[in-house]
Amino acid sequence: EVQVEESGGGLIQPGGSLRLSCAASGFTVSNNYMTWVRQAPGKGLDWVSVIYNDGSTYYADSVKGRFTISRDKSKNTLYLQMNSLRAEDTAVYYCARIKSGIDYWGRGTLVTVSS
Amino acid sequence: QSALTQPRSVSGSPGQSVTISCTGTSSDVGGYSYVSWYQQHPGKAPKLMIYDVSQRPSGVPDRFSGSKSGNTASLTISGLQAEDEADYYCCSYAGTYPLVFGGGTKLTVL
Repeated sequence: EVQVEESGGGLIQPGGSLRLSCAASGFTVSNNYMTWVRQAPGKGLDWVSVIYNDGSTYYADSVKGRFTISRDKSKNTLYLQMNSLRAEDTAVYYCARIKSGIDYWGRGTLVTVSS
Repeated sequence: QSALTQPRSVSGSPGQSVTISCTGTSSDVGGYSYVSWYQQHPGKAPKLMIYDVSQRPSGVPDRFSGSKSGNTASLTISGLQAEDEADYYCCSYAGTYPLVFGGGTKLTVL
């Protein structure tokens, strides 16, 4: 069964750093396109970053230079390193696989940036 | 990259049909056949309903259908049911800025 599960969210002060993890099962992360999508409280879906199977990465302008997407083949895990966090980064962060559309989503992990 | 434009809300009675539009540009919706639609119930993760403009994943009822004309994609839900009440989001591939979402549409089943 295909599953993804995020972890690593929490309360962090502005300017701080956090690393989100996304453990996958039932498929190989490095063979697929993987993405992070976030949703601020009461707001819509907001694409954050993607890593393709060839390792190329892309970022939304709002996080470029602050966030880094990566993966660990041995752990079959996707990561999102978030630095210089701002209040506007507060959101539920979803990890998901892109195959035919974004077909498998995790339950999300909440990141709250506040002093 | 600007978000795709969706109506903020639509409504319909049980058994009726509703259509949700998603308007972009020739750089996203109009330029590729990679439009997808997601259903999200409160407090839940989004669920894929349509991919590649009009393809339905296994398990999604055939009451849900997708189409595209020019820079506008549409999701049609026929035979509305109470459980269809949710937020719906479109998403398009956009080339060098890979993914862009619509602002979301709240569907109310009257």
